[in-house]
Amino acid sequence: AQSVSQHNHHVILSEAASLELGCNYSYGGTVNLFWYVQYPGQHLQLLLKYFSGDPLVKGIKGFEAEFIKSKFSFNLRKPSVQWSDTAEYFCAVIPGAGNMLTFGGGTRLMVKP
Amino acid sequence: EAEVAQSPRYKITEKSQAVAFWCDPISGHATLYWYRQILGQGPELLVQFQDESVVDDSQLPKDRFSAERLKGVDSTLKIQPAELGDSAMYLCASSLQRGRTDTQYFGPGTRLTVL
Repeated sequence: AQSVSQHNHHVILSEAASLELGCNYSYGGTVNLFWYVQYPGQHLQLLLKYFSGDPLVKGIKGFEAEFIKSKFSFNLRKPSVQWSDTAEYFCAVIPGAGNMLTFGGGTRLMVKP
Repeated sequence: EAEVAQSPRYKITEKSQAVAFWCDPISGHATLYWYRQILGQGPELLVQFQDESVVDDSQLPKDRFSAERLKGVDSTLKIQPAELGDSAMYLCASSLQRGRTDTQYFGPGTRLTVL
């Protein structure tokens, strides 16, 4: 079945450490890619998205993601995390031209001060 | 900044009872979505509306779940009767475009607990 995989379920980092969260999908063809974040007690918010163009996408709060088509990946990165980045991060994919958003299982990030 | 509104934020009910959730999308957004998020998992789409019409309800358990968006604005999701396995967060989202790939904006959700 077509799916979105986030292999790291829990990540613990110290402040100022670099972050990379993996996301792989199994759809062929055109894809539209998203990273959403859910801070404790808050609703899902869009961090960044890729529809087309430059495969390196910059989002809010210093996050970026790189679309590597050959690897079916859209990994999220941040060079230096802060305690306020503690949250759950979801990768999501819309295959083709529709609106069917499929989420990965999420990665819970804890940043220690 | 415009947001998707949902109510109630929390609902506790006993199994076999009926529950209803309400969603008001961002003004002008044509497409509305209901998702279910089980603890520890990503959200899963239940139903998608474009204006007042259902576009996709293939994952909606139609024997007990129903959804409507009568005037193409706000929407109601109902469960009758509720079962223990329905305990989850129910999320509403909306997007501006009709029938085209677009960013979805999420509401705060309704956390349902079925006892």
